[in-house]
Amino acid sequence: SAVISQKPSRDICQRGTSLTIQCQVDSQVTMMFWYRQQPGQSLTLIATANQGSEATYESGFVIDKFPISRPNLTFSTLTVSNMSPEDSSIYLCSVTRPGQGAWEQYFGPGTRLTVT
Amino acid sequence: RKEVEQDPGPFNVPEGATVAFNCTYSNSASQSFFWYRQDCRKEPKLLMSVYSSGNEDGRFTAQLNRASQYISLLIRDSKLSDSATYLCAVVPTGGFKTIFGAGTRLFVKA
Repeated sequence: SAVISQKPSRDICQRGTSLTIQCQVDSQVTMMFWYRQQPGQSLTLIATANQGSEATYESGFVIDKFPISRPNLTFSTLTVSNMSPEDSSIYLCSVTRPGQGAWEQYFGPGTRLTVT
Repeated sequence: RKEVEQDPGPFNVPEGATVAFNCTYSNSASQSFFWYRQDCRKEPKLLMSVYSSGNEDGRFTAQLNRASQYISLLIRDSKLSDSATYLCAVVPTGGFKTIFGAGTRLFVKA
């Protein structure tokens, strides 16, 4: 498995401001993933972050809104910019580790964001 | 059609019951399959991988049917502590992105 920590665990922010979420992993990983989970919904992949290159964003997500940094193999940040109430969600950092015959995905505890 | 679809739920069962969840996937080239459990206000946690031959872990049995493109999770002798949302997940062949279903909520009652 993997030990993943996220900061902050929760925050309440005003619209128009930005929040940066940090993700720390207990050992080096090639790819880190950022997901969003809105209330009662499943996980939606925002982007994949590789060290040393620009993040790859999924359809519907753009770098200006969700800039990502990946300065090394154990750390990443996701910024939610110019927030609106629609950004209220849980944001989860994730990594994959080899399991028995497949890469298994592990999640951080999440950051619960409320935008007022 | 969604890439991964699950029974909508919620499932309300008494303790000791057997409950089964199904999940269908649209990409026939998918290579890896998983079940995750997510407790309220917590992150998803890997419950078990699903292998072609089927696999069992205590009260939990997972099966894969490639011809019909579905995976299942069977929980026997349900416990109150099994109450959670169960997410199925699929990784396409050659891919590294996991695609999750919307989840099925299970309530086990005394």
